[in-house]
Amino acid sequence: AAGVIQSPRHLIKEKRETATLKCYPIPRHDTVYWYQQGPGQDPQFLISFYEKMQSDKGSIPDRFSAQQFSDYHSELNMSSLELGDSALYFCASSLAARRDPKSYEQYFGPGTRLTVT
Amino acid sequence: AQSVTQPDIHITVSEGASLELRCNYSYGATPYLFWYVQSPGQGLQLLLKYFSGDTLVQGIKGFEAEFKRSQSSFNLRKPSVHWSDAAEYFCAVGGFIQGAQKLVFGQGTRLTINP
Repeated sequence: AAGVIQSPRHLIKEKRETATLKCYPIPRHDTVYWYQQGPGQDPQFLISFYEKMQSDKGSIPDRFSAQQFSDYHSELNMSSLELGDSALYFCASSLAARRDPKSYEQYFGPGTRLTVT
Repeated sequence: AQSVTQPDIHITVSEGASLELRCNYSYGATPYLFWYVQSPGQGLQLLLKYFSGDTLVQGIKGFEAEFKRSQSSFNLRKPSVHWSDAAEYFCAVGGFIQGAQKLVFGQGTRLTINP
């Protein structure tokens, strides 16, 4: 079965640089979520999109932005990178409208490991 | 505040032994509960989910979990573990939390299997 695809899998950037992470949801899934997992920590919700519109926002820094495109893939743009941004970034997708219980059944990609030096 | 607590940071069991990983949640409404497993350097794989109905839910890889509302718990169990079960396990609650619809995860339990 098709899964969530994330690219790149690994990314090394220097402080103050920018990074773009891409996410391709499971086919027919219309909702995308982004999570950040710091070293030894649990995943923290950043932002979500439903039908190409921003749905919910969590603890996402103002330096970060994201969008969902017409083919439902999503990109997380990170600017002015800081050392503390080094983490594993997960994308997840679900098939359901917001507030539908099924929308909580999220399927995660393998993650992008971002290292900021 | 809504939260998930996994009291055990690290558990070691012998291969073939039974396993129970604890999870307690704090959520005002009926919770949607999940268990995910993460192998080193890998993504999160959904093991099982609880929305409503039967409080004992079956998942993949021989795992099951029991929802106990009176104890605010959703413990994960497996009758006989395999070496391939060594991984990090996360319990999560899904809900409208702090103004956003999201999953909130526990701190995780790292499972080590002794041969």
